[in-house]
Amino acid sequence: DVKVTQSSRYLVKRTGEKVFLECVQDMDHENMFWYRQDPGLGLRLIYFSYDVKMKEKGDIPEGYSVSREKKERFSLILESASTNQTSMYLCATVVRDRPYGYTFGSGTRLTVV
Amino acid sequence: LAKTTQPISMDSYEGQEVNITCSHNNIATNDYITWYQQFPSQGPRFIIQGYKTKVTNEVASLFIPADRKSSTLSLPRVSLSDTAVYYCLVGDIASNTGKLIFGQGTTLQVKP
Repeated sequence: DVKVTQSSRYLVKRTGEKVFLECVQDMDHENMFWYRQDPGLGLRLIYFSYDVKMKEKGDIPEGYSVSREKKERFSLILESASTNQTSMYLCATVVRDRPYGYTFGSGTRLTVV
Repeated sequence: LAKTTQPISMDSYEGQEVNITCSHNNIATNDYITWYQQFPSQGPRFIIQGYKTKVTNEVASLFIPADRKSSTLSLPRVSLSDTAVYYCLVGDIASNTGKLIFGQGTTLQVKP
């Protein structure tokens, strides 16, 4: 089975801090994604990457950046954390064998105080 | 990307069959229909996927009519542990980006 590992389950950071959320997958998949999930808003796509050093903005990229230096690792960066970035962050990769679909990590619940 | 519409919430009792219907009028020829389940504080988990007709696995069944403009996830004899949010996704996973749109999902509450 594909494994997607997010480095932290819970994080508490201060306003203005630079925050790194790490995601690692073990199946050599090209496509990786970062979502945030908030009550009443569902999952919203922040950024995705379809290859090393390639990135594309999703629906809500403002305040975020990403890094993909190696195929297995996709990092989400909050340049200067703000309280409105308190959320659950989910990383995913895409399985290309049937059944096609996402495999998600367990999520990182980030609180910015 | 095909937009999906599903009920915001549903209630059921233990032992009942639950059917959640998703509308996707703009589904494209290459799109698959995939359902995910999400428990609180966890990432969504794949349940079932289909292209047309009926698909069944050990967890659920998926019914897709000939026009493919809707689909129904069927959970037989639900238990309290099936309380979760269920998402219907429509898209072409095999495309270059595999980018899908998650709607708000259906919150299923199973009562004793």
